[in-house]
Amino acid sequence: GNSVTQMEGPVTLSEEAFLTINCTYTATGYPSLFWYVQYPGEGLQLLLKATKADDKGSNKGFEATYRKETTSFHLEKGSVQVSDSAVYFCALHGSGNTGKLIFGQGTTLQVKP
Amino acid sequence: GAGVSQTPSNKVTEKGKYVELRCDPISGHTALYWYRQSLGQGPEFLIYFQGTGAADDSGLPNDRFFAVRPEGSVSTLKIQRTERGDSAVYLCASSFLEYNEQFFGPGTRLTVL
Repeated sequence: GNSVTQMEGPVTLSEEAFLTINCTYTATGYPSLFWYVQYPGEGLQLLLKATKADDKGSNKGFEATYRKETTSFHLEKGSVQVSDSAVYFCALHGSGNTGKLIFGQGTTLQVKP
Repeated sequence: GAGVSQTPSNKVTEKGKYVELRCDPISGHTALYWYRQSLGQGPEFLIYFQGTGAADDSGLPNDRFFAVRPEGSVSTLKIQRTERGDSAVYLCASSFLEYNEQFFGPGTRLTVL
């Protein structure tokens, strides 16, 4: 079945460092891919998405490219800020007749000043 | 406009009791989803509704779990004979149509003693 695997956290970085959070997936067909973020004390929010191979999703300085050949959707940001500290979830939406999201286990990012 | 709301925000109950968790989706959203998030894990799909009907209930763990959406708006997740393993945050999300962006509520934290 469909599944998502993320790199384990926590990830601790200094402000202005480069961020990569790895995400790989297993799915049949052509899933849509998402990154959600959960800031402390808040609900899940969609950060970015990509719906087909080679698409690049971007938002708030974050980017992720849908790589079908490596079944990956790694999240990157060139210069993190303290306010980026949160839990990041990679997720997929299968191409079958279903609306459900399949999430990875989440990666906690802590950015220190 | 108002986002997805969930009540109660916290629920503490004793093993064996019955609980109901309520979700109020964004007005006009036809699809509604329930997920369960255990500590340190990503959200796990339970069930989703398209209108009043359950389009996919494959994630419900057993027959103690049941959900309804009688008028195509508010939904209630019902758990009978609660067990300690049911303790988790229960998340609700809604989307305008089945494959659109899902907007998440703040969750209900259920603790079974």
